[in-house]
Amino acid sequence: GIQVEQSPPDLILQEGANSTLRCNFSDSVNNLQWFHQNPWGQLINLFYIPSGTKQNGRLSATTVATERYSLLYISSSQTTDSGVYFCAVELREGGGNKLTFGTGTQLKVEL
Amino acid sequence: KAGVTQTPRYLIKTRGQQVTLSCSPISGHRSVSWYQQTPGQGLQFLFEYFSETQRNKGNFPGRFSGRQFSNSRSEMNVSTLELGDSALYLCASSLTASGTGELFFGEGSRLTVL
Repeated sequence: GIQVEQSPPDLILQEGANSTLRCNFSDSVNNLQWFHQNPWGQLINLFYIPSGTKQNGRLSATTVATERYSLLYISSSQTTDSGVYFCAVELREGGGNKLTFGTGTQLKVEL
Repeated sequence: KAGVTQTPRYLIKTRGQQVTLSCSPISGHRSVSWYQQTPGQGLQFLFEYFSETQRNKGNFPGRFSGRQFSNSRSEMNVSTLELGDSALYLCASSLTASGTGELFFGEGSRLTVL
């Protein structure tokens, strides 16, 4: 099956710092989403970004589908950004709303 | 617009029992999918339903089953519970039928099996 790798696995930042999270995937995909999992376990949608670049406030994401990777940028990080960030992809063939998740990046933002 | 609603949020069962979890999708969404999250295996796809039909199934034993009703609400059932079934079960809904749409997740049902 498709492999989804995220890096780094863990990241500690000082408040105000910038960071880049990476997601590599091994096959062509229809759909790529970035999520932030809050302390209560809910997956919060950040971006639906099968290709191109999107920005939402301090967050932005870029997916280069032809090279099979996506990047999530967090600027001016805040303590509320702490949590686990997941990318998830849906295969181009036989997708059917089935997402394959990466193992996540655990982010901690400190004062 | 209400989000994806899952019930119950927390539950404790003992080995051998069965459990039923419920999911109400966002109004107008007809696709509902289920995921299991454990520390060891991460987030794994269980199954997906659209218009009461199971379209896709993950690699889980037959003890895991689900269904979708005509109002798009979905339930999943786990029979003969094992300790390893302790997990966060997440439901997601999507507007599109083709499988290329954005998925929205509920807050999850946290199951503990003793």
